[in-house]
Amino acid sequence: DGGITQSPKYLFRKEGQNVTLSCEQNLNHDAMYWYRQDPGQGLRLIYYSQIVNDFQKGDIAEGYSVSREKKESFPLTVTSAQKNPTAFYLCASRAGTGWVPYTFGSGTRLTVV
Amino acid sequence: KNQVEQSPQSLIILEGKNCTLQCNYTVSPFSNLRWYKQDTGRGPVSLTIMTFSENTKSNGRYTATLDADTKQSSLHITASQLSDSASYICVVAGRYSGGGADGLTFGKGTHLIIQP
Repeated sequence: DGGITQSPKYLFRKEGQNVTLSCEQNLNHDAMYWYRQDPGQGLRLIYYSQIVNDFQKGDIAEGYSVSREKKESFPLTVTSAQKNPTAFYLCASRAGTGWVPYTFGSGTRLTVV
Repeated sequence: KNQVEQSPQSLIILEGKNCTLQCNYTVSPFSNLRWYKQDTGRGPVSLTIMTFSENTKSNGRYTATLDADTKQSSLHITASQLSDSASYICVVAGRYSGGGADGLTFGKGTHLIIQP
């Protein structure tokens, strides 16, 4: 089955640590996105990538980094510079732009302990 | 500032009843409006996408309406089922202006609970 897979589902991080969230898709989609979801808030865009080896900052990129070395993969690193990293992280992909719908992964819940 | 406001914030209805969720937006220029269903702890799933020229679009028991003049949309759920319990998110896309991110503005969602 085609889809988008995020791992792990739950992640705990100590303060001062960097952690990497995985996002893999086998839909052959060009564009991939990372969103952050906080309770009672709308999704906010962290980073996005339209093609391999290229990515752009979203609205809240500070404290995060990404890479796009393969079409299928778009990992997100939450660095120690991110002051409030506890949130639900969603990865999405789609085949193009405009009216094309997004396919979302199941999310990773990151908690700082 | 682009904004998407959804109401009510939460709603509880009995199984089998109908309900309507509201979405008001101030995104300009407007390209399209999307409704997503998000189960707890899962990613959103697309229900409908509507452009400014579409007034109504259905997906099974879900019917979305759009009034681009008043900048309002609604999602009507008919004959609700327990599996409809979820958050419903309204998302408005601004007209593509380069950059690839579509300028999406997400609402905070309406949390719907269907009781047996």
